Amino acid sequence: SAVISQKPSRDICQRGTSLTIQCQVDSQVTMMFWYRQQPGQSLTLIATANQGSEATYESGFVIDKFPISRPNLTFSTLTVSNMSPEDSSIYLCSVTLSYEQYFGPGTRLTVT
Amino acid sequence: QKEVEQDPGPLSVPEGAIVSLNCTYSNSAFQYFMWYRQYSRKGPELLMYTYSSGNKEDGRFTAQVDKSSKYISLFIRDSQPSDSATYLCAMNNAGNMLTFGGGTRLMVKP
Repeated sequence: SAVISQKPSRDICQRGTSLTIQCQVDSQVTMMFWYRQQPGQSLTLIATANQGSEATYESGFVIDKFPISRPNLTFSTLTVSNMSPEDSSIYLCSVTLSYEQYFGPGTRLTVT
Repeated sequence: QKEVEQDPGPLSVPEGAIVSLNCTYSNSAFQYFMWYRQYSRKGPELLMYTYSSGNKEDGRFTAQVDKSSKYISLFIRDSQPSDSATYLCAMNNAGNMLTFGGGTRLMVKP
């Protein structure tokens, strides 16, 4: 299995500002994923991040709004830019090991 | 129609009951099936992972896959209050992108 940590665990931010979420994994992984989980909802994939290449974004998500960095095989960041209250959500990073997918504890973001 | 359908619940059972959680799916290309447990304010935790049709058992948990009916189940025996959580089914094909069900909220009452 993989142990994944995220920072911060939660934050309250003003609209118009940006927040960068960090994800650290205890194993080297090729692909890392970023998900959003809105209150009472299931998980929605934002983007897939491979080390050394541009992230691949799902429909409805754009790089200007959710820039991602993947500097090495154990770390990634997701930035939520120019935030609005609609961005209030839990953001989760995830990795795949041997076809099994593991999730971090999530970052709970509230935008006021 | 969603690719993966899951009854949102809530499902309320007494302690010790057998719980049955289910998902149906429409994409016959799905080959890998997972069940996640998510406690409130936590990330999803992988419970069970199956590849083929049939049953897989792990302690009090049994995962069942019926590819011909496009139907998967998770059974919890001797349910405990600590099993109270939201259970998410997820599946994919040979690629890595998971498709999730909406989750079923389970409450086990002492």
